[in-house]
Amino acid sequence: QQPVQSPQAVILREGEDAVINCSSSKALYSVHWYRQKHGEAPVFLMILLKGGEQKGHDKISASFNEKKQQSSLYLTASQLSYSGTYFCGTEIIREKLTFGTGTRLTIIP
Amino acid sequence: DAGITQSPRHKVTETGTPVTLRCHQTENHRYMYWYRQDPGHGLRLIHYSYGVKDTDKGEVSDGYSVSRSKTEDFLLTLESATSSQTSVYFCAISATGTNSPLHFGNGTRLTVT
Repeated sequence: QQPVQSPQAVILREGEDAVINCSSSKALYSVHWYRQKHGEAPVFLMILLKGGEQKGHDKISASFNEKKQQSSLYLTASQLSYSGTYFCGTEIIREKLTFGTGTRLTIIP
Repeated sequence: DAGITQSPRHKVTETGTPVTLRCHQTENHRYMYWYRQDPGHGLRLIHYSYGVKDTDKGEVSDGYSVSRSKTEDFLLTLESATSSQTSVYFCAISATGTNSPLHFGNGTRLTVT
């Protein structure tokens, strides 16, 4: 029941855009997105709740397609600070968040 | 930053010994979680708690037990450590469960030799 993230890794130049996808084989109550830098704890980015919504802050936004059981994270005009591994967490069973294996994003100057 | 402290930060132990990891929070959050992180597997839920003395199993709970006797403390015990339990363990807290953000502690790196 682990969600599938794609791509597994991506390399961008500063200023370029990226999309990270997260898909589930089962219906979702919610989707979370986190970013983790090497050797650090994961840090919360956003939650999307059942109802199919789009959220965003600054240049990072996300969408949740409830029917397709998918979520996408959009990073626009990427900055060096965006580098890290991005994890989606999906809630299939209430109160249990299952994480994908991550997408490693590298931003080069 | 959310007030979460994990202890110890690093531990090396031998196969067969019991090990207890502690998670302490100062946020008075109701929900607490234990995850393990291994290369290629992401974060996997071990156990979680939705209140004092209220706990439930996650996806990889075999070989682990938990206890929560106070709101602020959530203990993870490996009854008899095995090499497969070598991992980085993260504690997380949230105010209202999975409809609110999870805030993670800095992790405990456990090596079982």
